[in-house]
Amino acid sequence: GAVVSQHPSWVICKSGTSVKIECRSLDFQATTMFWYRQFPKQSLMLMATSNEGSKATYEQGVEKDKFLINHASLTLSTLTVTSAHPEDSSFYICSARSRTSGVETQYFGPGTRLLVL
Amino acid sequence: KNQVEQSPQSLIILEGKNCTLQCNYTVSPFSNLRWYKQDTGRGPVSLTIMTFSENTKSNGRYTATLDADTKQSSLHITASQLSDSASYICVVSRRGTYKYIFGTGTRLKVLA
Repeated sequence: GAVVSQHPSWVICKSGTSVKIECRSLDFQATTMFWYRQFPKQSLMLMATSNEGSKATYEQGVEKDKFLINHASLTLSTLTVTSAHPEDSSFYICSARSRTSGVETQYFGPGTRLLVL
Repeated sequence: KNQVEQSPQSLIILEGKNCTLQCNYTVSPFSNLRWYKQDTGRGPVSLTIMTFSENTKSNGRYTATLDADTKQSSLHITASQLSDSASYICVVSRRGTYKYIFGTGTRLKVLA
């Protein structure tokens, strides 16, 4: 099956620093990738949709200048949390969209846990 | 409003027992429904996907059902194992859009 990787798997940083998270589709090309945030005991919340070669589309309430998304190639999207604060601490999950046998499916990465001190 | 609700919120069962998780949705127009398993600290992994015309789909000990008329789905786990302890998320897609609508999940704990 399709594999999506994320790096790093976890990161601890000081308040005010920026953190970059990578999302890669390992064995397929993804024109669309998604970034989600998940707080403890809650479901995934879509932050933005990333399309290769164009600007990301952000969900209502998500600051685009805070969460910079770059979809540089068909296999790589990056999320940069700029000037991170403790309230940005969360579990960030990406997914990549693929179309197999006529059915579109999102394959999820393993997630990145961010802790901002 | 397009929503997906799951019940129960959490469930504790003994190893070897069966259990059934419920999902009700109001998403329209309906495209497909998926069940995902999410281990703690990991990303969701797909268990089943069902379209409008499918009533049941199995994946090993997992069997999902779909009633598109009543907009209900269930996930039945047979002969539970300790490794089944996870969150199970029901996800519905609307026709014409690629966005997923997530349920709040059911946290299952299987005890020895």
